[in-house]
Amino acid sequence: DGGITQSPKYLFRKEGQNVTLSCEQNLNHDAMYWYRQDPGQGLRLIYYSQIVNDFQKGDIAEGYSVSREKKESFPLTVTSAQKNPTAFYLCASSTNPGQGVNQPQHFGDGTRLSIL
Amino acid sequence: GENVEQHPSTLSVQEGDSAVIKCTYSDSASNYFPWYKQELGKRPQLIIDIRSNVGEKKDQRIAVTLNKTAKHFSLHITETQPEDSAVYFCAASISLSFQKLVFGTGTRLLVSP
Repeated sequence: DGGITQSPKYLFRKEGQNVTLSCEQNLNHDAMYWYRQDPGQGLRLIYYSQIVNDFQKGDIAEGYSVSREKKESFPLTVTSAQKNPTAFYLCASSTNPGQGVNQPQHFGDGTRLSIL
Repeated sequence: GENVEQHPSTLSVQEGDSAVIKCTYSDSASNYFPWYKQELGKRPQLIIDIRSNVGEKKDQRIAVTLNKTAKHFSLHITETQPEDSAVYFCAASISLSFQKLVFGTGTRLLVSP
């Protein structure tokens, strides 16, 4: 979807270094998500945010951190504590569910992170 | 927690044939089941979704069926074309958990001309 922009497309991390992946959306969506995708595997949820200034851990949050200071932005930091960061990282967004009704999640183009 | 199993992991068909991908889920309270198509190195794109209050949904050559009793749902693609070649992921919502989805491990579909 053209409304979700991830940058950079490729990123290299040195040992002991923190790196930040950018995700911006102009869809006016309240909810945003970060997923990790490894070869031959499905998407696994790292963090998600329902609303500005609020976020929750997903299934594999260790070694990652996020912030949600603006509705449009949900950056992900991969810290040095994440020992196996090489993966394809996908950001998604959706409108908030109405009365518990799930809304479709739409994805950005992803960032491919590798270790130097 | 919720677990989603997807089969087969790879599927090869001839152009014009039908393709069926199946997923099973464990959480009986799951109520939303999207399917995504992902071409190599690109973003997953939502192609169809179904909610638990219906048993089938169609969109041109694509259909999804849901069997709540058996806790499985399937993607059906008819009259396959080479451009249908991609990895397809199913997902299921987690009950009582905001918007969270659990994804299957994907099916690589190859449509040969």
